[in-house]
Amino acid sequence: DSGVTQTPKHLITATGQRVTLRCSPRSGDLSVYWYQQSLDQGLQFLIQYYNGEERAKGNILERFSAQQFPDLHSELNLSSLELGDSALYFCASSVGGSGGTDTQYFGPGTRLTVL
Amino acid sequence: TQLLEQSPQFLSIQEGENLTVYCNSSSVFSSLQWYRQEPGEGPVLLVTVVTGGEVKKLKRLTFQFGDARKDSSLHITAAQPGDTGLYLCAALSGAGSYQLTFGKGTKLSVIP
Repeated sequence: DSGVTQTPKHLITATGQRVTLRCSPRSGDLSVYWYQQSLDQGLQFLIQYYNGEERAKGNILERFSAQQFPDLHSELNLSSLELGDSALYFCASSVGGSGGTDTQYFGPGTRLTVL
Repeated sequence: TQLLEQSPQFLSIQEGENLTVYCNSSSVFSSLQWYRQEPGEGPVLLVTVVTGGEVKKLKRLTFQFGDARKDSSLHITAAQPGDTGLYLCAALSGAGSYQLTFGKGTKLSVIP
């Protein structure tokens, strides 16, 4: 158990819909990262928040957005869903957020299926 | 954008055999990490290598960082069924960054 929690574990929805994925970081960690894992693209970095502010952006679509709340939990919002958005979505957390070699601890993921 | 190529993509071996998986790139890395991911779970960090030529051991796993810091290998001695999983290498995208770029992984199956 990494200490990072993600809900829900599974999510099935239809094209065009909007969903929200939730992540609670490990106690004391200020950074939250979101990743998407698909069979063809592998594990890809989407976005990072540090202490409530966006720190880095990766391959995140405009239809996707995220935020980190004052209690440090984070939500990833996916809208106008397409079949290709079906994937595993992971959240990770770390203590720091501005360089160095802090370990990122990954949650168990949310499996999103878009029908 | 750094590209990390991992090989082989799939590997199925008998318990007790040795194996090596590779992670290669044309870019130079300040550090490189190896993760193992089991089905239904998130990746778990195994090791971080920082210095060119560095060798780190974790029980039966030996990790090596290339002299030029462009490649790395993971060698498992006497593989066990518990070693089954997806092995991912990852590198930080640059100095001061926490953005990890992952390879697509090597899926290892160790047959009892």
